[in-house]
Amino acid sequence: NAGVTQTPKFRVLKTGQSMTLLCAQDMNHEYMYWYRQDPGMGLRLIHYSVGEGTTAKGEVPDGYNVSRLKKQNFLLGLESAAPSQTSVYFCASEGDYNEQFFGPGTRLTVL
Amino acid sequence: GIQVEQSPPDLILQEGANSTLRCNFSDSVNNLQWFHQNPWGQLINLFYIPSGTKQNGRLSATTVATERYSLLYISSSQTTDSGVYFCAVGRKGSSNTGKLIFGQGTTLQVKP
Repeated sequence: NAGVTQTPKFRVLKTGQSMTLLCAQDMNHEYMYWYRQDPGMGLRLIHYSVGEGTTAKGEVPDGYNVSRLKKQNFLLGLESAAPSQTSVYFCASEGDYNEQFFGPGTRLTVL
Repeated sequence: GIQVEQSPPDLILQEGANSTLRCNFSDSVNNLQWFHQNPWGQLINLFYIPSGTKQNGRLSATTVATERYSLLYISSSQTTDSGVYFCAVGRKGSSNTGKLIFGQGTTLQVKP
């Protein structure tokens, strides 16, 4: 039981490049979330999903897209990366009792 | 939206000391979690505690939902307790989502 995993752990992009971050969970959770954490701040919600095939916008969705084609996976895409998207990205999943479990994070730098 | 305030923002302790971290929130919630972010950036679940009191070893937490605050107690602190402690709250509404809103965190440094 790996819990929540994220791929990759680190990535450096140039402005304008695209990439996809993968989140996978093996707990059969319905709800999944993508957050970003900037220095000195708590986490802010980017997008979330309440089940396979569904997605919705969170607090800071601009510049990101997401997909939930399979229940266990939640993908976060950056179509044209900007320096303002330099951050640490966390994925989380939530089961029946509201408690959220977080992955180890992806540290992204956009030059 | 719900506002979350944590205090103090920074805390320095000598190893063995006790401490209390506070989380105030501005509206009713049905989800409250405490996390520890270690120096490597990993978020570790400490407590899921929308109400009541829980204890886990040297750590305990109390949430008084009617008064909109939660407290995290750390006793006999150790250097491995260093890091940032986050309080996060949420409320499932008609959309049935559990979006968490995070406070700014309390940065704890425990000196040997």
